[in-house]
Amino acid sequence: NAGVTQTPKFQVLKTGQSMTLQCAQDMNHEYMSWYRQDPGMGLRLIHYSVGAGITDQGEVPNGYNVSRSTTEDFPLRLLSAAPSQTSVYFCASRTGANVLTFGAGSRLTVL
Amino acid sequence: RKEVEQDPGPFNVPEGATVAFNCTYSNSASQSFFWYRQDCRKEPKLLMSVYSSGNEDGRFTAQLNRASQYISLLIRDSKLSDSATYLCAVNFGNEKLTFGTGTRLTIIP
Repeated sequence: NAGVTQTPKFQVLKTGQSMTLQCAQDMNHEYMSWYRQDPGMGLRLIHYSVGAGITDQGEVPNGYNVSRSTTEDFPLRLLSAAPSQTSVYFCASRTGANVLTFGAGSRLTVL
Repeated sequence: RKEVEQDPGPFNVPEGATVAFNCTYSNSASQSFFWYRQDCRKEPKLLMSVYSSGNEDGRFTAQLNRASQYISLLIRDSKLSDSATYLCAVNFGNEKLTFGTGTRLTIIP
């Protein structure tokens, strides 16, 4: 059981570059979400999706785009990376019980 | 004021001791509550849900106090392997799960 798979695990970008963090789940969960985790700030919700074709903003959506074309995949796009986006990013999915299953995380550094 | 607040610690506790953390939340309409455990440089994993009547899972006991708007986690007979960061999470009746910043626990031999 793969659960939630995130790629890449590590990435270094230069300011202004774009990239996509990939997230895939094989549990047939309708709900998927992206969080970022920073020291002293905890986990903050970036974007979430309640099903294919439906996305919505979380607490800190600026600078990030998402799409949900399939139930399995929920990529997170950084259009023009900034140093403030240096963080650890977690993708998570859940059933209706509100219990999140997280991916292993993607560590992003923006220089 | 943050929606979900935790004492960041660190809590340094001798092995075998009992330790308790609280987590306060600001919205009285909150519907569901959880404790997650996060090991260093790993993803958070569900430790236990918190039910209105309180619940226990082995050495771990979770309680909810709606009147004072906090949840608690009690760990009895602490083990070295309990060293981690403990995150509380609250659902405010929408599609979002809001996390506290976490409480770091270190169990000392």
